Amino acid sequence: NAGVTQTPKFQVLKTGQSMTLQCAQDMNHEYMSWYRQDPGMGLRLIHYSVGAGITDQGEVPNGYNVSRSTTEDFPLRLLSAAPSQTSVYFCASSGRGLAGADTQYFGPGTRLTVL
Amino acid sequence: ILNVEQSPQSLHVQEGDSTNFTCSFPSSNFYALHWYRWETAKSPEALFVMTLNGDEKKKGRISATLNTKEGYSYLYIKGSQPEDSATYLCAPTPPGTASKLTFGTGTRLQVTL
Repeated sequence: NAGVTQTPKFQVLKTGQSMTLQCAQDMNHEYMSWYRQDPGMGLRLIHYSVGAGITDQGEVPNGYNVSRSTTEDFPLRLLSAAPSQTSVYFCASSGRGLAGADTQYFGPGTRLTVL
Repeated sequence: ILNVEQSPQSLHVQEGDSTNFTCSFPSSNFYALHWYRWETAKSPEALFVMTLNGDEKKKGRISATLNTKEGYSYLYIKGSQPEDSATYLCAPTPPGTASKLTFGTGTRLQVTL
């Protein structure tokens, strides 16, 4: 199993550009999440999904869209990039189990810089 | 959004020292507590998930305890080694929130020879 994969690893955008960060998992996990990591702020939840076709907002959803058309994929879209979105983005997934008590598996991260 | 506090923010110990960190969280509305280990330039890796008051888990030289009534968890590292250098994150989870973890800002541990 590849686990959780993310592409690209690095990306530089100009303000106002749009892009999609890709996340895929091959563990048949129902739950998938996107986090951003900023210095001094820890990991903050952007959006999450409890299954295909179901998504919900996390702590910092503004400026980001998600969709979950398949169990495997959970892309994160930046509609109009802003310098405040410069961050490292992690995707994570967890299997079906007791809600909230399942281990989350993290992808390798995408380092995004917005100029 | 849960109020999660981890202390200390950073810690510098020598090889062979034992150390411990604290994770504090609201004791009401608790379901599970996750501990993760996060090395620089890598992604977080799960250490433990605990749900029961008084729970104690161990993985090699690392162990954790949980007190849900007073809202805290301790992570212990016995005989620290340089490879233990990492940021240790905790994340409590209320009931019914599935993958919606709220992470603390972590304790950054540096172990030197």
